[in-house]
Amino acid sequence: GDSVTQMEGPVTLSEEAFLTINCTYTATGYPSLFWYVQYPGEGLQLLLKATKADDKGSNKGFEATYRKETTSFHLEKGSVQVSDSAVYFCALSDGGSQGNLIFGKGTKLSVKP
Amino acid sequence: NAGVTQTPKFRVLKTGQSMTLLCAQDMNHEYMYWYRQDPGMGLRLIHYSVGEGTTAKGEVPDGYNVSRLKKQNFLLGLESAAPSQTSVYFCASSYRSGTGGNSGANVLTFGAGSRLTVL
Repeated sequence: GDSVTQMEGPVTLSEEAFLTINCTYTATGYPSLFWYVQYPGEGLQLLLKATKADDKGSNKGFEATYRKETTSFHLEKGSVQVSDSAVYFCALSDGGSQGNLIFGKGTKLSVKP
Repeated sequence: NAGVTQTPKFRVLKTGQSMTLLCAQDMNHEYMYWYRQDPGMGLRLIHYSVGEGTTAKGEVPDGYNVSRLKKQNFLLGLESAAPSQTSVYFCASSYRSGTGGNSGANVLTFGAGSRLTVL
């Protein structure tokens, strides 16, 4: 079945460092890909998405490009802030009738001042 | 606009007790979902609904029941709680796939979570 694998954390960075969180997927067909973010004590929020190969999703300085050839959707940010400390989830939707998302296990990011 | 509201936010149960978690959404979404979140496991789908009066099993449905009597509400019940059901529960909702301006991508809106501890 479909699955998502993302790098295990926790990841600790200093403010203004470059961030990469790796995400690869296995899916039949042509899934849509997502990054969700969960701030402490809150629910998940959509960070960005891409619906087809070579699409780039971007939001709040974060970017991810849908790479079909490497089945990847890596999350990047050029300069992280303390406020980016959160858990990041990569997810896919195969567009099936149930509309469900399949999530990776999450990567906890801590940014130190 | 409240979005997705879950109640209660916290609950402690004893083994064998029953309870119901309520999820309410005010976005007129067709689809609703219940997930559980456990350390190192990500989010796993318990049950879902594709419309009023319909429910279906997800990845980990055992020990849970659900009902969707009204479009805006999705209830998750535990008939006889077990310590293995200690978790954080998230409700989510979405438009039907490919509609609501999502361009084919099913974007979920999540509630803030309900933390359940079973002793």
